[in-house]
Amino acid sequence: GAGVSQSPSNKVTEKGKDVELRCDPISGHTALYWYRQSLGQGLEFLIYFQGNSAPDKSGLPSDRFSAERTGGSVSTLTIQRTQQEDSAVYLCASSRTSGNVETQYFGPGTRLLVL
Amino acid sequence: AQSVTQLDSQVPVFEEAPVELRCNYSSSVSVYLFWYVQYPNQGLQLLLKYLSGSTLVKGINGFEAEFNKSQTSFHLRKPSVHISDTAEYFCAVSDLQTGRRALTFGSGTRLQVQP
Repeated sequence: GAGVSQSPSNKVTEKGKDVELRCDPISGHTALYWYRQSLGQGLEFLIYFQGNSAPDKSGLPSDRFSAERTGGSVSTLTIQRTQQEDSAVYLCASSRTSGNVETQYFGPGTRLLVL
Repeated sequence: AQSVTQLDSQVPVFEEAPVELRCNYSSSVSVYLFWYVQYPNQGLQLLLKYLSGSTLVKGINGFEAEFNKSQTSFHLRKPSVHISDTAEYFCAVSDLQTGRRALTFGSGTRLQVQP
């Protein structure tokens, strides 16, 4: 019955290090999204998973970004060789597809700071 | 590609006054429209959505929005605001024509309710 959860809530890392951000979607939701919220760019779509279909990666800003969704549930967003411009709040959302109607429910986000 | 414009980055208003937050989207035959609210250090919460049918949509917390196809607008209104409505508000669109599930967000409007 819980909402979308994300961990960690805050992450501080040094430039060049890799980070992993986790998202637990609402139980039963088949679709999962990652967005990034930064001061300069606003809210941007990153990647979308729907069931067993190939993910829509069209929003990933570079090949340093990747994401997995294991068992159709938990997702991990990985950023390799972090840069200062990666500093942002990373938001995860999930939805239960009902035809073409999808309401996305958002988690609280992970605030990433790259020093 | 769809785009969403929120003309006002900040809207200061006194408590119990009415408010309108403006949203325009780029023209498309079929879209779904959403308003989300983000309270400080929290994720996004759905306020209301327009899918089809009546152009006047009522949401939570006394908010409503009107879909105007000819003006490609989806402005958010509340007849009397409370201090607790202070937050950032995001308009978003999902494009049915392309079938792209991800939301395209506006840049947000910060509503500041003053006593």
